Amino acid sequence: DIVLTQSPALAVSLGQRATISCKTNQNVDYYGNSYMHWYQQKPGQQPKLLIYLASNLASGIPARFSGRGSGTDFTLTIDPVEADDTATYYCQQSRNLPNTFGAGTKLELK
Amino acid sequence: QVQLKETGPGLVQPTQTLSITCTVSGFSLTSYYMQWVRQTPGKGLEWMGFIRSGGSTEYNSEFKSRLSISRDTSKNQVFLKMNSLKTEDTGVYYCARGSSTTRVYDYWGQGVMVTVSS
Repeated sequence: DIVLTQSPALAVSLGQRATISCKTNQNVDYYGNSYMHWYQQKPGQQPKLLIYLASNLASGIPARFSGRGSGTDFTLTIDPVEADDTATYYCQQSRNLPNTFGAGTKLELK
Repeated sequence: QVQLKETGPGLVQPTQTLSITCTVSGFSLTSYYMQWVRQTPGKGLEWMGFIRSGGSTEYNSEFKSRLSISRDTSKNQVFLKMNSLKTEDTGVYYCARGSSTTRVYDYWGQGVMVTVSS
């Protein structure tokens, strides 16, 4: 199984940039696409898709969110951070079965 | 608009069988994959399996021996059945719509909390 590693927590000030990383133990690229996706989850809610295929903004997601990376190293950036962005962020790979998720990064405000 | 809603028992006894229904609207089950994902305190988010738009299935080997996913396209419903439940299966169970091209889960149900306890 592909293992995704995320830092457990990140604290950022309002209006600043948050960078969340996700590293995989295997390449998740395939025929020009990176099968890495990012979700936001707030307490008591289901995960919400933010970024798909590493860098594509999902429908209705503000442009403050962006993603980049390829191969085994990926980042989600939120710039500028707003109060409503406090949540846990998960990366997920769909290159191989079983699809796997990172353990999540909890974003808090300083 | 796209909607997914899980319904299930809430409380299940150990060794018993869990049955959850995901009712969808706003799209056709014959055009999308439908995934089941669970979230447990012990393991976080886990992909359990999916049923393809054509009706074939794939399962996570972690659950393969006790998990079954099926659907009724006429009722716009997808079903999860898992037997031999253990206390570690306690968690929130989600259905999610997946695309066969991007392989991403773009819409999720609200989830159903399942507690395995005697």
